[in-house]
Amino acid sequence: ETGVTQSPTHLIKTRGQQVTLRCSSQSGHNTVSWYQQALGQGPQFIFQYYREEENGRGNFPPRFSGLQFPNYSSELNVNALELDDSALYLCASSHSMNTEAFFGQGTRLTVV
Amino acid sequence: AQSVTQLGSHVSVSEGALVLLRCNYSSSVPPYLFWYVQYPNQGLQLLLKYTTGATLVKGINGFEAEFKKSETSFHLTKPSAHMSDAAEYFCAVRGPTNTGNQFYFGTGTSLTVIP
Repeated sequence: ETGVTQSPTHLIKTRGQQVTLRCSSQSGHNTVSWYQQALGQGPQFIFQYYREEENGRGNFPPRFSGLQFPNYSSELNVNALELDDSALYLCASSHSMNTEAFFGQGTRLTVV
Repeated sequence: AQSVTQLGSHVSVSEGALVLLRCNYSSSVPPYLFWYVQYPNQGLQLLLKYTTGATLVKGINGFEAEFKKSETSFHLTKPSAHMSDAAEYFCAVRGPTNTGNQFYFGTGTSLTVIP
């Protein structure tokens, strides 16, 4: 059974650019959630996808968008990057919406 | 609305001493409660969870937590700290499916173990 994998592990972008982060969910899981963890803070919920549909969204602007694919992998896209977008982005997958989630190692995004 | 408060952003204990990390939650519905651990530059690893049933929950690496509804608490304990326990610990609450099911995390407690 493979775990949750995220790519890339690190990247540096310039303010105003766009970025795409990727997540492969754990085998058999149909729900993917994305979280932003700023330095020294707990993770904050961005949004969740269940069977390719967005199923909940946190307090993040529309420039944060996502996709879930038929194989349940997912992408997080962020447009018009701002300095405050610098954070660790975590992907979590679960079998259904109401069970524990398994987290990937995260993608460390630095915006300069 | 659901939220989590972790008392003490930094906790230091001696190796072999009791570990106690505090977590209080707020939830308008019966909560699902979790403790996750995060090692430097890594993701979150599930330590233990409470959903229903027995209020004392045992997890990995010798950790356990007790759900106390009257105190709205879910404190994490370990009888004897080990050097490898040094990490960041997050308490989280998650609601039932029909009212939203994302995790609400606390701000974390950094545990230092002194040799």
